[in-house]
Parts: sequence; C-alpha cells; structure tokens
Amino acid sequence: GAVVSQHPSWVICKSGTSVKIECRSLDFQATTMFWYRQFPKQSLMLMATSNEGSKATYEQGVEKDKFLINHASLTLSTLTVTSAHPEDSSFYICSAVYPAGVETQYFGPGTRLLVL
Amino acid sequence: GQQLNQSPQSMFIQEGEDVSMNCTSSSIFNTWLWYKQDPGEGPVLLIALYKAGELTSNGRLTAQFGITRKDSFLNISASIPSDVGIYFCAGQLRGGNQFYFGTGTSLTVIP
Repeated sequence: GAVVSQHPSWVICKSGTSVKIECRSLDFQATTMFWYRQFPKQSLMLMATSNEGSKATYEQGVEKDKFLINHASLTLSTLTVTSAHPEDSSFYICSAVYPAGVETQYFGPGTRLLVL
Repeated sequence: GQQLNQSPQSMFIQEGEDVSMNCTSSSIFNTWLWYKQDPGEGPVLLIALYKAGELTSNGRLTAQFGITRKDSFLNISASIPSDVGIYFCAGQLRGGNQFYFGTGTSLTVIP
C-alpha cells in the first residue's frame, strides 16, 4: 500500500527556536500533500494544502509566516514552525494524496512537538 | 469549512458485539473515507467509497456511501480488543481536493 513517513516523530525545543518537520511519500508521487494539527481527543484540523511547485494554500486563521510550507518535490513536503512557542505544542500530521484515478489520502505517523 | 457530524461520540461495547457509527453532512460529497487512529499515531485508511450507494467491506468492516451523498456508515462485526481506537470519517467535495474530517468516534472494547 501507499506509505507516508514523517520525521522526526518527536521533537522538544525551546521557545523561540524553529522546527522543521518532513513528510515523504515513499512509494508514490504526490502532487498534493496536506498538513494537519491535532489536539488531544480532538479531530484533525487542516492547516494548509501543499502543492508541488507552487505556494501552499493556508486555511483561515493559520499564519503562513508562522508555519512555512515547502513542497519542493513530488515526494517531499516540509513544515517549518518558526519561532515556536508553547502554544504551538501539538501533534502535527501530514497526508499525501495518492493519485490513482480517484483520490485517496494516506497519512504519515505524525510528529509530536513540545515547546518548552 | 465543511462540518461532518459523527455519531456516536464514544462507544463502550463487549468483545464480540457489532458496532455501527455514521457520519452526516449538509453538503454532497464525492468521496468518503474511513480511518482508524491509535493514540500517538497517524490515521490509517480502512475503507474508501467513491459512488453513492456503494457498499464496501474490508474484513470485519463494512462501510456504505449514502444514497443522498450526504452520509456514510461504518459497521464493525464481532468486535475484538484491537478494534479499540478513534474512528474518523472524511469527505471530499466534488471538484475539491481537500478532505473534511468528522468529529471522531472513540471505541472501547471490553474483553
């Protein structure tokens, strides 16, 4: 099946630092990837749509200068949380759209970010 | 954005019982997906539905794409302890590329 990886799976950082999270589609090419944020016991909240070769589309209320997204290749999208603060602590999950006629979305294992 | 209402919010059942959950929307969707998420992990795709009325099975799981295109159902037969987790539905609008998620159903199976 389609496999999506995320790195790192855990990150702890000091307030004010930047953190980069990678999302890779391992066995397929994905022109579209999504970045979600999930708080404990809540559903997934879409942050942005990442399209290969173009600028990301951010959902309302998500700061594009805070959450930088780069989709430089058909198998890699990165999310950089700039100047992270404790309120940015969350579970970040990416997904990649598998383009097999009809679209299906596969998720990475998630990255847990803790900002101290 | 679109809101998908999922019910029930949580379920506590005995091992061996069947489970039913559903997802409803005020909008018409072209695609319905069902996922299971274990704590600390990303959601895993269970079943994908692409046509109104479609009924698809994956082992003990069966999902249906509602005729109105505004709802979907997931059934789990003969539940086992490893079915524990949170189940999410996700829908995609016609012409859209993003998926909207339901509020989730937390399933607990008592051995």
